[in-house]
Amino acid sequence: EDQVTQSPEALRLQEGESSSLNCSYTVSGLRGLFWYRQDPGKGPEFLFTLYSAGEEKEKERLKATLTKKESFLHITAPKPEDSATYLCAVQARNSGYALNFGKGTSLLVTP
Amino acid sequence: GAVVSQHPSWVICKSGTSVKIECRSLDFQATTMFWYRQFPKQSLMLMATSNEGSKATYEQGVEKDKFLINHASLTLSTLTVTSAHPEDSSFYICSASTTDYNSPLHFGNGTRLTVT
Repeated sequence: EDQVTQSPEALRLQEGESSSLNCSYTVSGLRGLFWYRQDPGKGPEFLFTLYSAGEEKEKERLKATLTKKESFLHITAPKPEDSATYLCAVQARNSGYALNFGKGTSLLVTP
Repeated sequence: GAVVSQHPSWVICKSGTSVKIECRSLDFQATTMFWYRQFPKQSLMLMATSNEGSKATYEQGVEKDKFLINHASLTLSTLTVTSAHPEDSSFYICSASTTDYNSPLHFGNGTRLTVT
């Protein structure tokens, strides 16, 4: 059974304090690993898709990396507007397009 | 591009009534749409997958007679919660996909359903 585990559940950072969020996964044939950002009361907003181990993608202060067992979302010099819940999801080769989500990491960046 | 619109954004209904939620892909044709449910501080749980013109595929434990899904066109899917009860109160989110596996799923902004 596919599993996605995110850690930590919650993270509080000071503005400018860099850190990483972890997403560990087990899946029978990974098609893609996705990172989304979700603000309270809103739907998930797409950030990145990673397809193979060793792949990295960057967008502003965010950088996502992938190994065969986990993915990291690195946040460099975060700002208060980066506060949100970050969701990791896997898409298996035998699942069509459906995504299996982790519970997310709730990030709070204080000024 | 790739905008998914969900309506309404929130709804309050009485026990026993039915509620319909719409999900539209505004600038692309969605061959497949997904309906998710999210409880507070919990993950998104897939409820069902719908393909245009065919019956939806429901996940284990999801009552298909309670959560009616219709995907009548390539831009519209609807979820109807029938005979709603307070335990159906939740955040319902739809997402849409094209046939391109390299294209990510795009999500609507969700519908907050409260059943009183």
